[in-house]
Amino acid sequence: DAGVIQSPRHEVTEMGQEVTLRCKPISGHNSLFWYRQTMMRGLELLIYFNNNVPIDDSGMPEDRFSAKMPNASFSTLKIQPSEPRDSAVYFCASSLNRGQDEQFFGPGTRLTVL
Amino acid sequence: AQSVTQLDSQVPVFEEAPVELRCNYSSSVSVYLFWYVQYPNQGLQLLLKYLSGSTLVKGINGFEAEFNKSQTSFHLRKPSVHISDTAEYFCAVSPTDSWGKLQFGAGTQVVVTP
Repeated sequence: DAGVIQSPRHEVTEMGQEVTLRCKPISGHNSLFWYRQTMMRGLELLIYFNNNVPIDDSGMPEDRFSAKMPNASFSTLKIQPSEPRDSAVYFCASSLNRGQDEQFFGPGTRLTVL
Repeated sequence: AQSVTQLDSQVPVFEEAPVELRCNYSSSVSVYLFWYVQYPNQGLQLLLKYLSGSTLVKGINGFEAEFNKSQTSFHLRKPSVHISDTAEYFCAVSPTDSWGKLQFGAGTQVVVTP
């Protein structure tokens, strides 16, 4: 398996623009997680899906952030409109299903909002 | 709620010397414990995890960790480090009755020098 795939790897955009980050989880994994990593706040869980259904989105910072998982092999995280404080590395991770299962992380998308 | 404290933000160590990374947690419920490693410009990768049973857990790349329930600690050790162990290390906990929501520590940067 190719592991968790994220695109793009780098994104530079201007404030106010819409940004869409994409994730393909490992085939057969039922859980998908979106994280944000910054120097100031460390690793934060944004949202968690199980069997394509959002279970916990309490980490989504504002209404400007939205996430979807239309099928088992694809998820998006969208920021509209983007702001400079959204600059961070965004990781997608997937796992089999249970709390004790390892989460497999993608390589991340480095977002810079000017 | 859970919290994770990694007591050292940075640990410099010479090649072939031992290293210990400290992790303490607090939780009102039972938790699973994890150590993840993040190499530069990569996603996180699981080193080891404690679910139950023996308190000494062995992981990949020669790392091991010991769970101490009375001290609520899960310290990570390696008897002899290599240059390639230069990375950031994250301790994380997840309630045993949850869907796998990980609470990460702030991370410890290990820098191995010749």
